[in-house]
Amino acid sequence: AQSVTQLDSQVPVFEEAPVELRCNYSSSVSVYLFWYVQYPNQGLQLLLKYLSGSTLVESINGFEAEFNKSQTSFHLRKPSVHISDTAEYFCAVSEVGGGFKTIFGAGTRLFVKA
Amino acid sequence: EAGVTQFPSHSVIEKGQTVTLRCDPISGHDNLYWYRRVMGKEIKFLLHFVKESKQDESGMPNNRFLAERTGGTYSTLKVQPAELEDSGVYFCASSQVGVLRTEAFFGQGTRLTVV
Repeated sequence: AQSVTQLDSQVPVFEEAPVELRCNYSSSVSVYLFWYVQYPNQGLQLLLKYLSGSTLVESINGFEAEFNKSQTSFHLRKPSVHISDTAEYFCAVSEVGGGFKTIFGAGTRLFVKA
Repeated sequence: EAGVTQFPSHSVIEKGQTVTLRCDPISGHDNLYWYRRVMGKEIKFLLHFVKESKQDESGMPNNRFLAERTGGTYSTLKVQPAELEDSGVYFCASSQVGVLRTEAFFGQGTRLTVV
């Protein structure tokens, strides 16, 4: 079985400051790793994913996440946030090659202040 | 290409009533999943269809919940009778089968409020 822990339920940050949203997972098998984002009044959108290969993955809007197998972490970072990044972010895992269901963390609310 | 669509977007019903949520997956996606997020908690898996067959329904909370996917296209999730604790956001997702499956695409969700 897999589990996902997002260590911060809320993260307030000023605009243009860097941010890191932490995610740790537990799994006895290989997993895919994802970050989803939910903007206010919208559905879940995939932000980025790690499937294999390079451990550093990037999104089109400047976020990046690094898969660290030894620490079982997949933290999300952005060097300079915008007001428009205010949203809830979910870390998730899915078992490679089977199972198909996605296990989510509890979510982290990112508040970007002017 | 249309994404995953869910209907209705919001529903407010009284305790004891019945509600049916609908999900239309992306065309060609044989995998269909239902998830639920109760306020403030994590998004939890409810069940998984492959075409019209239930592959995994381990997350269904009790027998008041009934999911169907007749014909392997759209799916419905019926709650009968609804209880207060059923309130939350119900998400549907779909994905391709096999080696092409690397992520699920989510709908906007249905916000269910039971009063």
